[in-house]
Amino acid sequence: DSGVTQTPKHLITATGQRVTLRCSPRSGDLSVYWYQQSLDQGLQFLIQYYNGEERAKGNILERFSAQQFPDLHSELNLSSLELGDSALYFCASSPRLAGVGNEQFFGPGTRLTVL
Amino acid sequence: DAKTTQPNSMESNEEEPVHLPCNHSTISGTDYIHWYRQLPSQGPEYVIHGLTSNVNNRMASLAIAEDRKSSTLILHRATLRDAAVYYCILRDVYGGTSGSRLTFGEGTQLTVNP
Repeated sequence: DSGVTQTPKHLITATGQRVTLRCSPRSGDLSVYWYQQSLDQGLQFLIQYYNGEERAKGNILERFSAQQFPDLHSELNLSSLELGDSALYFCASSPRLAGVGNEQFFGPGTRLTVL
Repeated sequence: DAKTTQPNSMESNEEEPVHLPCNHSTISGTDYIHWYRQLPSQGPEYVIHGLTSNVNNRMASLAIAEDRKSSTLILHRATLRDAAVYYCILRDVYGGTSGSRLTFGEGTQLTVNP
């Protein structure tokens, strides 16, 4: 158990809908990261938040947004869903913004299926 | 990001050592070598990291070539639970937030035979 929790575990929805994925980081960790894992693209970094602020962006679509709240939990919002958004979404946390030893601890993921 | 090359798959027998290679010929001086693994139906898990010297921890050992263009993750006695995809990742930990993200390649699928 990494200490990172994600809800829900599974989500099935229809094209065009909007969903929210939730992540609670390990106690004391200030950085939260979101990754997407699909069969054709592999594991891809989406976005990083540190202490409530967005700090790095990867291959995140404009239809996707995220935020980190004062209690440090984070939410990933996916809108206007398409079939291709079906994937595993992982959240990870780390103690600091960057630097040596700032290893990431991953949650169990949310499996999103868009029908 | 500097690129890594790993074999697509490897097999081992239980209780035997496993050497997982990684080539990173374009590694820069500030790139740390990280290994993560992903067990079936789980999120990735940190294994080990190093810069120049060989490193050991409770999970594995990391052997780094003198020129740093390759490295080897060593599992001393493979167990069935070690069956996973192993990712070799370079991170410029001094590169600010760009050094925070993990850039995953395809990794090596390790199969452990009983």
